[in-house]
Amino acid sequence: DTGVSQNPRHKITKRGQNVTFRCDPISEHNRLYWYRQTLGQGPEFLTYFQNEAQLEKSRLLSDRFSAERPKGSFSTLEIQRTEQGDSAMYLCASSLERERTDTQYFGPGTRLTVL
Amino acid sequence: QQPVQSPQAVILREGEDAVINCSSSKALYSVHWYRQKHGEAPVFLMILLKGGEQKGHDKISASFNEKKQQSSLYLTASQLSYPGTYFCGTEGGVETSYDKVIFGPGTSLSVIP
Repeated sequence: DTGVSQNPRHKITKRGQNVTFRCDPISEHNRLYWYRQTLGQGPEFLTYFQNEAQLEKSRLLSDRFSAERPKGSFSTLEIQRTEQGDSAMYLCASSLERERTDTQYFGPGTRLTVL
Repeated sequence: QQPVQSPQAVILREGEDAVINCSSSKALYSVHWYRQKHGEAPVFLMILLKGGEQKGHDKISASFNEKKQQSSLYLTASQLSYPGTYFCGTEGGVETSYDKVIFGPGTSLSVIP
């Protein structure tokens, strides 16, 4: 158990609907990351936060995706007007900034299916 | 740019050794290795930093050749607990500036009793 939790674990939605996922990082971790993973691929970077500031967002991320981390604690990832291509596992990871690089601990993921 | 991993898949008999390679087209600051079992989250194995590090724990070790922009993961005397997909994640950037980790496509490892 890495301590990162994600909810819901599974989400099935119809095309065009909005969905929101939540990630609760390990409590003292100040960095939080969102990734998307499709079958047979590695985690694909979406965005990351340092405390409450969103420092980087992938150019692959369309305007339909938005992420927040109010107060630097939990984070939410919202996808508006979902498309079938959004079907994937959405992974959250957190880390504690200690030195130049740090270890990311992943949550169990939210599997999204868009019908 | 996404790192390249080889082989894409490997099947071992219990007790055999395996090497998984990870290479990048850009200069690297660090390499991160993870293992992911089917339906589970990736689990951290180790980080190697520039400077030619080698690390290991138990029967899993890794090396990082920053000049060649490559890292290798060594699994010795493979056990039934080893199966999964192994990902390398590469981090570029310079000493003073954090950069995001980009993950490779993974290497699937299976062990036959």
